[in-house]
Amino acid sequence: EVQLVESGGGLIQPGGSLRLSCAASGFTVSTNYMNWVRQAPGKGLEWVSVIYTGGSTYYADSVKGRFTISRDNSKNTVYLQMNSLRAEDTAVYYCARDTSGYNPLDYWGQGTLVTVSS
Amino acid sequence: DIQMTQSPSSLSASVGDRVTITCRASQSISTYLNWYQQKPGEAPKLLIYGASSLQSGVPSRFSGSGSGTNFTLSISSLQPQDFATYYCHQSYSTPPRTFGQGTKLETK
Repeated sequence: EVQLVESGGGLIQPGGSLRLSCAASGFTVSTNYMNWVRQAPGKGLEWVSVIYTGGSTYYADSVKGRFTISRDNSKNTVYLQMNSLRAEDTAVYYCARDTSGYNPLDYWGQGTLVTVSS
Repeated sequence: DIQMTQSPSSLSASVGDRVTITCRASQSISTYLNWYQQKPGEAPKLLIYGASSLQSGVPSRFSGSGSGTNFTLSISSLQPQDFATYYCHQSYSTPPRTFGQGTKLETK
């Protein structure tokens, strides 16, 4: 059974750093395109980042230069390192799988809440 | 970047109604258009992919159509569990992979 479990969210002060994890089971992250999508309270979905099977990474302009996506194949886990956090980064962060790079996001985790506030 | 525009932003309907939600892309995306349903407190759920293909397990009252820049999601006979927010999403271009702003379907 495919499963994605995010962790690492919490309350963090502006300017701080946080690392989110997405542990996958039932499939291999390195042979899929793994995404992070976020949703601010009461708002819509915003795509954040993706890591390709070959290791290429892409980011939304809103997080470029501050966030880094990576994966650990031995742990079958994807990460999102978030630095220089701002109030507008407050959101539920979901990880989601795309099997080909042009496919939909067919499996999503339950999300982890990041709150940036002093 | 490709912009996705959904309409309406909200929609009031009754059980048994047929409803249609529209999504427009700022440039052609062929049929690389997906639809998701999200209920409060839950992760989005894939309903339709490739503009018109029904994801496994999704009821047949859901259907999608369109290509190029104009797409629709239809629900043929609304059920109580269908009241939710719906998002379109393009998977055509190199990232960013953009979402529509969402359509909240509410009971009349």
